[in-house]
Amino acid sequence: EDQVTQSPEALRLQEGESSSLNCSYTVSGLRGLFWYRQDPGKGPEFLFTLYSAGEEKEKERLKATLTKKESFLHITAPKPEDSATYLCAVGVSGSARQLTFGSGTQLTVLP
Amino acid sequence: DTGVSQDPRHKITKRGQNVTFRCDPISEHNRLYWYRQTLGQGPEFLTYFQNEAQLEKSRLLSDRFSAERPKGSFSTLEIQRTEQGDSAMYLCASSLGPGGDSPLHFGNGTRLTVT
Repeated sequence: EDQVTQSPEALRLQEGESSSLNCSYTVSGLRGLFWYRQDPGKGPEFLFTLYSAGEEKEKERLKATLTKKESFLHITAPKPEDSATYLCAVGVSGSARQLTFGSGTQLTVLP
Repeated sequence: DTGVSQDPRHKITKRGQNVTFRCDPISEHNRLYWYRQTLGQGPEFLTYFQNEAQLEKSRLLSDRFSAERPKGSFSTLEIQRTEQGDSAMYLCASSLGPGGDSPLHFGNGTRLTVT
């Protein structure tokens, strides 16, 4: 069975304190790995798609990387407005119509 | 910005009542998905439409749940004889390409509370 595990469950950082969130996956045939940001009471907002090991994507203070077993979301010099839950999801071969999500990492950035 | 819109945003109902939610996807997207999310968890897949055809349903989708997408435009999700365990956020998403390859774009959901 496909599994997606995110760690840590929660992370508190001081403004400017860089860190990384982890998403490890066990799937049979990865088609794509997706990162989303979710604010309270809202739907997930798409951030990145990664398709193959070694691929990297960047957007402002966020950088996503992918290996054969896990993905990292690196946050450089975070600001309070980066506080949110970050979700990762995988699309797999044979079930290309849906994504399987992890439980998310709740990030709080303190001023 | 014409993103995915969902209506209503919140619904409170009594156990045993029927409820219906509506989703309007991004206009050029022919793929539409319903997900359910409970507190502290990631979204769980419920069902998928390509145009008006319902192509996939999760084992989570009991007989009390039914979804439609007439004419391949908006979609509705109905829950009959609601139970307290149905309380959750119901999310709709749409995509341009296959969900395994293309990002899903989500609406802001309908929060259902069953009392």
